Amino acid sequence: NAGVTQTPKFQVLKTGQSMTLQCAQDMNHEYMSWYRQDPGMGLRLIHYSVGAGITDQGEVPNGYNVSRSTTEDFPLRLLSAAPSQTSVYFCASSYWGGQGSEKLFFGSGTQLSVL
Amino acid sequence: AQSVTQLGSHVSVSEGALVLLRCNYSSSVPPYLFWYVQYPNQGLQLLLKYTTGATLVKGINGFEAEFKKSETSFHLTKPSAHMSDAAEYFCAVSPGGGADGLTFGKGTHLIIQP
Repeated sequence: NAGVTQTPKFQVLKTGQSMTLQCAQDMNHEYMSWYRQDPGMGLRLIHYSVGAGITDQGEVPNGYNVSRSTTEDFPLRLLSAAPSQTSVYFCASSYWGGQGSEKLFFGSGTQLSVL
Repeated sequence: AQSVTQLGSHVSVSEGALVLLRCNYSSSVPPYLFWYVQYPNQGLQLLLKYTTGATLVKGINGFEAEFKKSETSFHLTKPSAHMSDAAEYFCAVSPGGGADGLTFGKGTHLIIQP
């Protein structure tokens, strides 16, 4: 049981480049989300999904796109990278509704630098 | 809307001493409250949670927290600090378990002095 897997672990981009951060979970969780972590800011929610085909914006969605075509995968796309998007990105998943839905399982993170 | 305030970005204690990490929240509905721990270069792990019921919650690694509605607080404690407790700790709140995300505090870096 791998849990939540994020790739890549590290990435360096130039301003204006695009890329996709991958997130996969093997726990059959309906709920998946993306957070960014910046020094002194805690974690801030970017986008989330409560099931395949359903996504919604979080606190800081600008500059990011998501889609959810399968239960397992929830990729995060940076359309045109900016230095302000330099951050550590975490994917998380959980059950949706009912007992256990309040516990998030986190991936190990992707450290992104935009030059 | 909800928010979380963690008092102290850095807390330093001696090994064997009491650990107290402070968390205050605001929420327009009865909250679910969480403490997560992050070890260097890792993701977050759930330490403990309060949803309903008993207000004193016990978690992993000897940590516990007490939900005090009158004080809107959810402070994290451990009677005796261990070197392995050195990590970043995050308090978080969600509106009754809603999936539109946890709101996290800014984190408290716990330093353990030998």
